[in-house]
Amino acid sequence: RKEVEQDPGPFNVPEGATVAFNCTYSNSASQSFFWYRQDCRKEPKLLMSVYSSGNEDGRFTAQLNRASQYISLLIRDSKLSDSATYLCVVNSRGNTPLVFGKGTRLSVIA
Amino acid sequence: DGGITQSPKYLFRKEGQNVTLSCEQNLNHDAMYWYRQDPGQGLRLIYYSQIVNDFQKGDIAEGYSVSREKKESFPLTVTSAQKNPTAFYLCASSGGSYYEQYFGPGTRLTVT
Repeated sequence: RKEVEQDPGPFNVPEGATVAFNCTYSNSASQSFFWYRQDCRKEPKLLMSVYSSGNEDGRFTAQLNRASQYISLLIRDSKLSDSATYLCVVNSRGNTPLVFGKGTRLSVIA
Repeated sequence: DGGITQSPKYLFRKEGQNVTLSCEQNLNHDAMYWYRQDPGQGLRLIYYSQIVNDFQKGDIAEGYSVSREKKESFPLTVTSAQKNPTAFYLCASSGGSYYEQYFGPGTRLTVT
C-alpha cells in the first residue's frame, strides 16, 4: 500500500462548482497533515495545514479523520484560478521528510 | 524578504559533466531537502539534511551528492553517474511549528 494515495483525476468542473478531493494515508503514527497546490511547471506551495478539528480558509475546507486515516479538501465556488494539482502531504515525525501524494489535477472550466 | 532561492532557473549540460545546483534559505530553518520531479510525476526525495554537517539519503540518492557546511546552504551535485538527470529539481526547507516545508522556485536541468 502506498503511503499517501490520491485519485489523480483530472477533475474537470465548471466555474462556481463545489469539488472535493480525498486522500488516504497508511502510517497511523502520522502527526501533521497538509494540502499543497502546484501550478504547471512551478514549485508546490502550502495551501493549508489540516487540523484534527477541521479548518476552513475562505472557500477551502480541510478535514481529517484519524480513525479512517483519511484527509479531504473541499473547494466551494470554484474559480478558473483554482486550476492546479493538489497534493496531499503527511508528516510522520518532527523534522523528517514529508510524504507527498502524487496529486489530484483540477481543471476549472468557464 | 525571507525565502528560498535556487539558481539557475534553467541549466543545460552535456552528458558526462557534473553539475551543481544551488539552494539558499534565509528562513533560519534547520532542515533542508532536495526533490526531483519528472513530467507528470510526483516528487521523489533525493537527499535531506536535518542539521549542519549531516545529511541522509532519500529514495533516489544514487548519482547525486550533497553538502551542508552552512545552515543557509544545501547544494546538490548531479554527477555523471546519474543515468537520467534531465528533470525539475526542487529544494525545500522546514522549521515551522508543524514542520511544513517551503519550496524554492526550482531548477530545470536538461542534459543532452
